[in-house]
Amino acid sequence: EAGVAQSPRYKIIEKRQSVAFWCNPISGHATLYWYQQILGQGPKLLIQFQNNGVVDDSQLPKDRFSAERLKGVDSTLKIQPAKLEDSAVYLCASSFYRTEAFFGQGTRLTVV
Amino acid sequence: AQTVTQSQPEMSVQEAETVTLSCTYDTSESDYYLFWYKQPPSRQMILVIRQEAYKQQNATENRFSVNFQKAAKSFSLKISDSQLGDAAMYFCAYIAGTASKLTFGTGTRLQVTL
Repeated sequence: EAGVAQSPRYKIIEKRQSVAFWCNPISGHATLYWYQQILGQGPKLLIQFQNNGVVDDSQLPKDRFSAERLKGVDSTLKIQPAKLEDSAVYLCASSFYRTEAFFGQGTRLTVV
Repeated sequence: AQTVTQSQPEMSVQEAETVTLSCTYDTSESDYYLFWYKQPPSRQMILVIRQEAYKQQNATENRFSVNFQKAAKSFSLKISDSQLGDAAMYFCAYIAGTASKLTFGTGTRLQVTL
C-alpha cells in the first residue's frame, strides 16, 4: 500500500514570509498528525485530526500556524508569517485507530 | 500530564553485540499501546516494534525485543546482534486515551561501531 506522502521535501524562506506543507495520508486512516521536530529533539505534536475534526491543537501557535484537513483526507499546514525559530522538520503521520502511526518523509523548513 | 522519558541521550554498541535502550512513561490510562520508532539520517520515522498494554507477553520482532514492565511503567528495547544499519535515533512513544494522542520521548542516539 502507498505510504504517507508529503511535499515539499525542502523549503527555504525568509522570515515573515508564508509557507504551506501538504500531506496525503494512507487511505482509510482516520487519524492524521502534524509534528514539528527541531534538530536534536523529539517530535512535538502540533495538531491531530480525527477525520476532518480537530482532536488536539493545544500546542499549535495559532497566531501564525493554521491547518485544515479537507474532506477527512488530505491536509495542509500553513505558517504565516514565519519566524526563525520555525526552522524544523515538519512530519505528517496517519493511523487507523489507536494503532501505530505511519510517517511521511517530512519537510525540512529553513527560515533565514 | 502524559510523558515519555528516555534517560540515555546517546548509546554506543559494537557490531554483533547487544544493547538495551531505556524508556519510562507516565499515563493515567489503563488501555494504551507502546512503540519504538527508528529515525535514520534520512529522517523518516520507521516503526520498529509495538506492544499492547493489555498483553503480558513481551513483543519480539527479529533482532528487536522489548521488556515491558507495566507496574513500573517501563518499556525498554533490546537490540541483539547489532548491525551498522541500526545506527539511528530511537524514539519511545505511546498512544493512550480515546483521542489516540501519540506522545514521543526525546530520543536516544545509537552509534554502532566496528
